[in-house]
Amino acid sequence: DTAVSQTPKYLVTQMGNDKSIKCEQNLGHDTMYWYKQDSKKFLKIMFSYNNKELIINETVPNRFSPKSPDKAHLNLHINSLELGDSAVYFCASSFDYSSYNEQFFGPGTRLTVL
Amino acid sequence: AQKITQTQPGMFVQEKEAVTLDCTYDTSDQSYGLFWYKQPSSGEMIFLIYQGSYDEQNATEGRYSLNFQKARKSANLVISASQLGDSAMYFCAMSGLGSSNTGKLIFGQGTTLQVKP
Repeated sequence: DTAVSQTPKYLVTQMGNDKSIKCEQNLGHDTMYWYKQDSKKFLKIMFSYNNKELIINETVPNRFSPKSPDKAHLNLHINSLELGDSAVYFCASSFDYSSYNEQFFGPGTRLTVL
Repeated sequence: AQKITQTQPGMFVQEKEAVTLDCTYDTSDQSYGLFWYKQPSSGEMIFLIYQGSYDEQNATEGRYSLNFQKARKSANLVISASQLGDSAMYFCAMSGLGSSNTGKLIFGQGTTLQVKP
């Protein structure tokens, strides 16, 4: 059973389009995250939700809007896609947002904006 | 502000030998966690090992051990008996537990390890 799943795995789209990435975890965790990995492999937090409540918004452009319908799901919607949004987006989850809990990552979604 | 530094962009190791990947960190938090993740060429992020700032003993998980030196603010990963499948990018990360803790991981730049047969 996949612990943290993301769909789609690959997403190729034109500049200006709107797209969504879905994430689901079946670990019973309370906290979920979105990270962005750029072309130089640098990983940076974007958002985190704890039990459906937003707890981190790391100065991400407001074209990015996370939505958590329940604590097992955290989706990422991106409006008006730009070339610079091309990256790998990882969803992750942890038991809670204590520093003592490892985060389990999804397989990643490679977004390419043309 | 928290910061993680990995100074080795790339490393080579001979199969069956041990290798140390360096990680130094900076934080004003008294309580924090240090993590290592592996990212093979297939792209997934695999959790390897965790060390809490109050743990007195170095963490070990199979062939992985974490050489934690709190006074020097270093958390180096040691991989013993390297295998070809260990070839990957390795990330050191930190999560704080200060008043503004949010559970986010701060990552280093990563080290690419290549294991030679």
